[in-house]
Order: sequence, then structure tokens, then C-alpha cells
Amino acid sequence: DQQVKQNSPSLSVQEGRISILNCDYTNSMFDYFLWYKKYPAEGPTFLISISSIKDKNEDGRFTVFLNKSAKHLSLHIVPSQPGDSAVYFCAASDRSGGSNYKLTFGKGTLLTVNP
Amino acid sequence: NAGVTQTPKFRVLKTGQSMTLLCAQDMNHEYMYWYRQDPGMGLRLIHYSVGEGTTAKGEVPDGYNVSRLKKQNFLLGLESAAPSQTSVYFCASSYRGGMAQYFGPGTRLTVL
Repeated sequence: DQQVKQNSPSLSVQEGRISILNCDYTNSMFDYFLWYKKYPAEGPTFLISISSIKDKNEDGRFTVFLNKSAKHLSLHIVPSQPGDSAVYFCAASDRSGGSNYKLTFGKGTLLTVNP
Repeated sequence: NAGVTQTPKFRVLKTGQSMTLLCAQDMNHEYMYWYRQDPGMGLRLIHYSVGEGTTAKGEVPDGYNVSRLKKQNFLLGLESAAPSQTSVYFCASSYRGGMAQYFGPGTRLTVL
């Protein structure tokens, strides 16, 4: 039972354009969502997060949008740069429930930004 | 401020051997975690700890043991390694549960 799904294993975009990475979730109790970036041979790096009381959070070139009714979130990177090429993981947590210790991760999307 | 560090970075074991992976964090975080990452499987939680002296099972705990004797350290042990434990292991820590976790660089383990 995959509660956090990233349906696109890979995405390729041109430098300077927008990258949109998508994530769907099934657990309506999730109330906190995060994006991580991972380069090969390195650990995941926390990028940006959003609470369920918001529908948008922005940090520089990175914006996360949350659509609670659709149980969908997306990460927008504008403008995309070659250094953004990495695997991006979506994660979610239920901070109010008994399993509030954990993050549930998607399987990741490989983003390639072409010069 | 080193964040989260892991030792060793690489290791090759023979089936049946034992080893301990060490994780250290200098952020005074209460929560610590061990994950494994396998191709196409994402990150799967092995064990976690909500504070010094506590440990609990995650999604895939079989074949692993952990200890958290000091707040800053979280050890992952393999008592009798199996080829199925070939993986990349990541340690992470967080200030509170369910919040952003900060990851170490990983340990690549191969069991022959």
C-alpha cells in the first residue's frame, strides 16, 4: 500500500524552463509535506516543506503547491538549472497521529536539466 | 557543525559476518532513524529512536538491531549478514517526529 506516489520515474527539461514534479498521497491524515533532493552517492537533502494549513510555500526558485482536495502536491523549480539534476523525493507525515515519528517517502523522480 | 555523519562509507561483507554502522549527529536532535535505499524501492525505515535509550522497529527491521546509548549516536548492527542486505544505508535525525529529517551521506554495503 503505497501512501505517497510519484508516478513519473523521470523528467527531462531544458535549462531556464520550469520543472514541475508531482506527488499524490492517499492518507487524508497527512498534514505536513516535504521535498528532498538527492545527488548520486550523497544523502537526501531537505529542500522545502508545507503544512496542510497552507496551499503554497516559496523559497527562492522552489515553490511547493498543495491541493488537499485532490491529495496532490507539486514542486516547481523556476528557472531550472543543470545543477538541479537529481532525484527528488516527496515525503509526508501525520503529526497528530500515533505514527507521528515517521515520514512516508515516495519512490522518487529523476530530474534531468539539459543545458 | 558536521550535521549527520556515517561510518564507514563503504563495506564489503561475506554472508554470515557481522558489522556495526555508526551514525553521529551534532544538532542535538531527539529523533534518529536508519533507512535503506534499494533500486526502485525508495527509502524504507529500518529502525528509529525517539530519544536516548529508546529504539523501535520501522517497516523492515528483520535482520537488524540498533542501540542509542548516547543522544548523539545511533548504531545499526547486522549480526549475520545476508546478500539481501546489500543496500545503501542512510541515517537521519530530526528535532521532532514528523518534521524535516537531516540525512547523512550514506554507507554502501555489499554482502557476498
